[in-house]
Amino acid sequence: QQQVKQSPQSLIVQKGGISIINCAYENTAFDYFPWYQQFPGKGPALLIAIRPDVSEKKEGRFTISFNKSAKQFSLHIMDSQPGDSATYFCAASKSGGSNYKLTFGKGTLLTVNP
Amino acid sequence: DVKVTQSSRYLVKRTGEKVFLECVQDMDHENMFWYRQDPGLGLRLIYFSYDVKMKEKGDIPEGYSVSREKKERFSLILESASTNQTSMYLCASSGAVLNTGELFFGEGSRLTVL
Repeated sequence: QQQVKQSPQSLIVQKGGISIINCAYENTAFDYFPWYQQFPGKGPALLIAIRPDVSEKKEGRFTISFNKSAKQFSLHIMDSQPGDSATYFCAASKSGGSNYKLTFGKGTLLTVNP
Repeated sequence: DVKVTQSSRYLVKRTGEKVFLECVQDMDHENMFWYRQDPGLGLRLIYFSYDVKMKEKGDIPEGYSVSREKKERFSLILESASTNQTSMYLCASSGAVLNTGELFFGEGSRLTVL
């Protein structure tokens, strides 16, 4: 059972465009939703994260939008740059108990063309 | 900066060999993880440890074991490597309060089993 579904699997965007990656989750107990960015040859690194008490979080050109009722959250990259080309993973976890585990989506390979 | 070091970036092993993947973190983190990354499948948790000598199975523990004798070191062991274990293996660590969602990853160990 895949608890976090991510789409699209790959995405090609022109420089200056908006990149949008979507995730949907099933477990209503999830209360933390991070996005990780992975460059080729490197491990993933935390990019931005949100908790369900807010509907949007923005850090620079990166914005997370969160829809609790739909159990969906998305990453928007404004003014996309070739340096943003990477694989992006959404994830979810729940606090308390066995909160050690993050459940990851399958990833989106973003290519930003110059 | 937090540093998670995986001792081997690339390994080639033969079917049936015993394989050790070593991971060391330098931030005194309580939690350590081993993930497997495959194209189209994302990051899948193999095992994690929240304390020395403690371990818990993740989502795909079959064919793997782990060892954590010291807080900074977490080893993944393939007792008898098989071709379907050819993959990228990522080690990660986090502090005691995981509900921040932030995992710190190593750069990965790419294992090929012939």
